[in-house]
Amino acid sequence: DIHMTQSPSSLSASVGDTVTITCRASQSVGTYLHWYLQKPGKAPKLLIYAASNLESGVPSRLSGSGSGTDFTLTISSLQPEDFATYYCQQTYGPSTFGQGTNLEVK
Amino acid sequence: QLQLHESGPGLVRPSETLSLTCIVSGDSINNANHLWGWVRQAPGKGLEWITTIYYNGDTYLNPSFRSRVIVSLDTSANQVSLRLRYVTAADTATYFCAKHPTGETRRGAFDTWGQGTMVTVSS
Repeated sequence: DIHMTQSPSSLSASVGDTVTITCRASQSVGTYLHWYLQKPGKAPKLLIYAASNLESGVPSRLSGSGSGTDFTLTISSLQPEDFATYYCQQTYGPSTFGQGTNLEVK
Repeated sequence: QLQLHESGPGLVRPSETLSLTCIVSGDSINNANHLWGWVRQAPGKGLEWITTIYYNGDTYLNPSFRSRVIVSLDTSANQVSLRLRYVTAADTATYFCAKHPTGETRRGAFDTWGQGTMVTVSS
């Protein structure tokens, strides 16, 4: 299995801050890497696909980068609706998710 | 607009078979542009991919579930079904149905999700 490790596991920030979440794969996944947001009791929502492509309707203050084994999700000018849990997912091999990053209000 | 709606028994006894359905509305499960997957999430835990199926029946399985999972398509009802055999308490989770487009552009990203159905395994 391809193991995905996100860091940090939790993160405190304030509205207006810029935050970066990283995702590292145990082997290269090319750009078969996607980012999701999940709020409590809700289904995940796709934010970024293929490492750097913004899903339709997702604000441009979110961005993704990386390839191979190292990826980042950056959220600029944090808004109240951004406080949630973020997951990365690889679909290069049998799909696996990172353990999640909980972004909370400082 | 494509929508997915999962349903299940709520409670299943250990060693029995869990059966879930995902009703698809707004498009046909025979659409060759889509693949249909199942993802689960144990309480307070992360996401775990279970399986994905294509309209022609091609199936992709998480090796961790390979001996226990059966996924199928019911074209007459336009729904995707998941059966998980020999369940234990570790299978207690919310089960999500999700769709991803075919092709290299999206590279398997799930762009549409159902709201999930919670299943508890307990005697």
